[in-house]
Amino acid sequence: AQSVTQLDSQVPVFEEAPVELRCNYSSSVSVYLFWYVQYPNQGLQLLLKYLSGSTLVESINGFEAEFNKSQTSFHLRKPSVHISDTAEYFCAVTNNNAGNMLTFGGGTRLMVKP
Amino acid sequence: EAGVAQSPRYKIIEKRQSVAFWCNPISGHATLYWYQQILGQGPKLLIQFQNNGVVDDSQLPKDRFSAERLKGVDSTLKIQPAKLEDSAVYLCASTGTGSWETQYFGPGTRLLVL
Repeated sequence: AQSVTQLDSQVPVFEEAPVELRCNYSSSVSVYLFWYVQYPNQGLQLLLKYLSGSTLVESINGFEAEFNKSQTSFHLRKPSVHISDTAEYFCAVTNNNAGNMLTFGGGTRLMVKP
Repeated sequence: EAGVAQSPRYKIIEKRQSVAFWCNPISGHATLYWYQQILGQGPKLLIQFQNNGVVDDSQLPKDRFSAERLKGVDSTLKIQPAKLEDSAVYLCASTGTGSWETQYFGPGTRLLVL
């Protein structure tokens, strides 16, 4: 069985400040990890993914996440956030034994304040 | 390329009534997923189709929920009879052959059971 824990349900931060959204997973086999973003009144969109290779993955809008196998973590970071980053962020995990079906965490609401 | 379409966007029913949701995936996408997202939680997979066959429905409450994808294209999810705890957003997602790792989500159907 696999599971995902997002430790913070809400993260308030001021514009241009750095942010880290935490994600820890549990799995007995090798995993694939994802971050999805849900902007207000929109569907979920894939932000970035780790499948293999480099443990640091980046998105096109400045977010990055690092796969840490020893810590079973996949934290999401951005050095300077914008108002437009306000959204709900979901961490998800899957593995080959799960038929590539995603298990999502509970989500973290990022609230960027001016 | 058109995205994943879902209808209706909103539905309000009374408990014990029936309701159906429709999803049309991205053209050519063989794999289709239905998720339930309860307020404040991450999406939970209900059922996965590969073409017109069910891959996994282990988390589908089969006493009241049913889903079909008869022609391997669009899909319908039904609840009969609905309970108060079925109030949630029902999300449909699809993936294409050769790109299993990226699920494309529709805007969801928000169901309120009174």
